[in-house]
Amino acid sequence: AQSVTQLDSQVPVFEEAPVELRCNYSSSVSVYLFWYVQYPNQGLQLLLKYLSGSTLVESINGFEAEFNKSQTSFHLRKPSVHISDTAEYFCAVWMDTDKLIFGTGTRLQVFP
Amino acid sequence: EAGVVQSPRYKIIEKKQPVAFWCNPISGHNTLYWYRQNLGQGPELLIRYENEEAVDDSQLPKDRFSAERLKGVDSTLKIQPAELGDSAVYLCASSRPTGITEAFFGQGTRLTVV
Repeated sequence: AQSVTQLDSQVPVFEEAPVELRCNYSSSVSVYLFWYVQYPNQGLQLLLKYLSGSTLVESINGFEAEFNKSQTSFHLRKPSVHISDTAEYFCAVWMDTDKLIFGTGTRLQVFP
Repeated sequence: EAGVVQSPRYKIIEKKQPVAFWCNPISGHNTLYWYRQNLGQGPELLIRYENEEAVDDSQLPKDRFSAERLKGVDSTLKIQPAELGDSAVYLCASSRPTGITEAFFGQGTRLTVV
């Protein structure tokens, strides 16, 4: 079975500071990993994904995540956050049965 | 390209009443999902459709929940009767039919059962 663990339910950080949101997965087969972002009162939007190839994937707004097979992790990072990055972030894994399984989410709160 | 459209955005009902949610997926997306997101939790899959066929409804509480996707486009999720514990955000998503791909989500319907 596949599952996703997001250890931090909340991450408070000051603006322009770096941030890392942790995600670990458990899977016995090939993995396909995603990060989704949910802004207040909005639906989920894909931030970035790892399907194959380079283990470092980037989004258009400065986030990046690295697939680490040995540590079964897919942590999300940004070197300098903005107030507008305040949102809920969900890590997800694509299961063999063609469905996305989500973690419980990490709320990123950026303070001025 | 229009995104996934859901209605209503918000719904407040009394317990034991019925409620229905509607979803229009992105054009050309054969796969449609209904997720439930409880407060402070990640979305949990309720049902997945491939065209008009429900291919995974193992997590759908079938005693009170039902769903349909007539003609393989729009979908409706119904709860009858609603219980207090059904209060959540109900998300619809769609994706292209082949391979591992991105799921596009609607804004969701926030249901409050009082």
